[in-house]
Amino acid sequence: AQKVTQAQTEISVVEKEDVTLDCVYETRDTTYYLFWYKQPPSGELVFLIRRNSFDEQNEISGRYSWNFQKSTSSFNFTITASQVVDSAVYFCALSAWVFDDKIIFGKGTRLHILP
Amino acid sequence: GAVVSQHPSRVICKSGTSVKIECRSLDFQATTMFWYRQFPKKSLMLMATSNEGSKATYEQGVEKDKFLINHASLTLSTLTVTSAHPEDSSFYICSARVGGSFAPLYEQYFGPGTRLTVT
Repeated sequence: AQKVTQAQTEISVVEKEDVTLDCVYETRDTTYYLFWYKQPPSGELVFLIRRNSFDEQNEISGRYSWNFQKSTSSFNFTITASQVVDSAVYFCALSAWVFDDKIIFGKGTRLHILP
Repeated sequence: GAVVSQHPSRVICKSGTSVKIECRSLDFQATTMFWYRQFPKKSLMLMATSNEGSKATYEQGVEKDKFLINHASLTLSTLTVTSAHPEDSSFYICSARVGGSFAPLYEQYFGPGTRLTVT
């Protein structure tokens, strides 16, 4: 069975601090996709990244970076120099590498960036 | 990138009535659309997978007679909540998948969501 665990329910940090959101996944598939989505108060999901299981290279996009470690089944997300606009709920998600497969979401981490 | 729209964005209906939510892929054809439900401060739970021209596949525990899904064209899927009750109040989000049957082309785009309140 597939499962995504985001152990941090809620995090508060002061602006400009770095923050890491943890994500641990379970799957029996050898090939799969991992995702991160941002959901601001408006409710619309914002796609941040998709990573396939073949690619363990870490990725950096501006202030965002992702650390994918297959050995620990983790796909952590770090925001550097956080800003108030980063306040949102962040979801880690997983899908199998097959046609028509669904995305399984973690429970989300609510991030508060305090001014 | 590809755009998915939902209509309406918000709807309030009375208990016992039915409400239809539309999900459209605006600039691409989506052979597969997904419907999710999100309770306040909760995660997204997949309700059903909808393939164009065929019956939707519902997740365990989702009442197919209550949540009617129709995917009549490659750009439109509808979710009808029949005989709505206050416990059906939720945020409903659709997504549409682009690409063919080759999994590495997999891309899924989410709509902005529809907030349903049943009074």
